[in-house]
Order: sequence, then structure tokens, then C-alpha cells
Amino acid sequence: QVQLVQSGAEVKKPGASVKVSCKTSGYTFTGHYMHWLRQAPGEGLEWMGWINPNSGGTNYAQKFEGRVTVTRDTSIDTTYMELSGLRSDDTAVYYCVRERGAWFVYWGQGTLVTVSS
Amino acid sequence: EIVLTQSPATLSLSPGERATLSCRASQSISSYVGWYQQKPGQTPRLLIYDASNRATGIPARFSGSGSGTDFTLTISSLEPEDFAVYYCQQRSISITFGQGTRLEIK
Repeated sequence: QVQLVQSGAEVKKPGASVKVSCKTSGYTFTGHYMHWLRQAPGEGLEWMGWINPNSGGTNYAQKFEGRVTVTRDTSIDTTYMELSGLRSDDTAVYYCVRERGAWFVYWGQGTLVTVSS
Repeated sequence: EIVLTQSPATLSLSPGERATLSCRASQSISSYVGWYQQKPGQTPRLLIYDASNRATGIPARFSGSGSGTDFTLTISSLEPEDFAVYYCQQRSISITFGQGTRLEIK
């Protein structure tokens, strides 16, 4: 079965960077786009970007352009999301999500990133 | 950016009642709308895709309709497990979500 397992919670200071990993299994890694979304405490869902694991091509939401980088390592079926220039309003749960038929079906368990001085 | 506006923000109903949730887009998005359910402490679950298609394993009491700018999620007869937050999402131009509708027990 499809599984997405994310790295553990992080606490970062303002201005720092964070890198979250998403280890996949149960399907052909290069066969499906992987997206990154986030959800601030008590708030809604926000899409950040996607990666095509086959080509490495990426597409980011305009809001995050220049601050987010999504990469992958096909040797270990893992994608990464790095967010730089962290601010307090970046405190959120970050999710990797695999699409099926262009919709969000398979979710990682989430990684809480807390930005605090 | 396409803005999705969901209404109402909160809907208070009783089990057995019919729920109607609305999602309005700032411009036409054809039928590229999905609906998700999120319960506390859980990840969202896809209910409806392409405006009116039920996702795998979703009960028939959930239905979606609409095209262009106005979309509706209907739950025909509420079960206790349906009380949750519902989000619409568009993938016509980039990807955005509505702010959510909280469906609570009256």
C-alpha cells in the first residue's frame, strides 16, 4: 500500500531554514507528482508546490517562490521540501501529498514546524 | 490567483438532516473542483473530484455539483461521523483552497 512517512517535528529560529523529508513506498516513485502543502494551527490548507520525481521539474506557488525548494532522491524514493527565511507565520504542519488523477489522495502524517525565537 | 469562497463558515445541523455547502470561485474554473473532509487530528480525505465524482470508498450520501464559478457539496442525510471541516479546492489555474466550512452538531 502507498505510504508517505515524513521526518519529525522541528523548532527553528526566525531567519533559519528547515528541510522536511518524505519517504515513500508501495508504488513507483517516479510515476506520480508529489505536492507539498501546509496548514497553520487552526487554519486552512495552503498549497506550496510540486515536483515531478521523474524529471525533477518543479512548480511553486507564487507566494513561496524564492523561499521554497523541493527536491528528490530517486535512489531512496524520497522527496524534500526546504523553506528558507522562516518567520513566525511559517509555523504550521507541513504535508507531502501524492496525487491520484491530479487530486490529493495520499497524505504523509505531517511535520510540525515551529518558528520561535 | 483564483480565490475560493466557502459559505457558510459554520453550519449547525442535526444527524439525519441535509447539508448543503457552497464554494464560489473568483473566475470560471470549469469543473476542476474537489472537496475534502478533515476531522480533528487527521489528514484531509478526498470526497469529490472533478466537481461531481465520488472518490473511492465515499458513501453515496455525499454528492457534488456545479461548474464554472459555483459549486455545491451535498450530504443527503447526516451521519454522526460527518461532522467535520470541509474544504473545496481548484486546480484550474495553479492550486488553491477555500477557507473551509465547519459542520457542527446542533
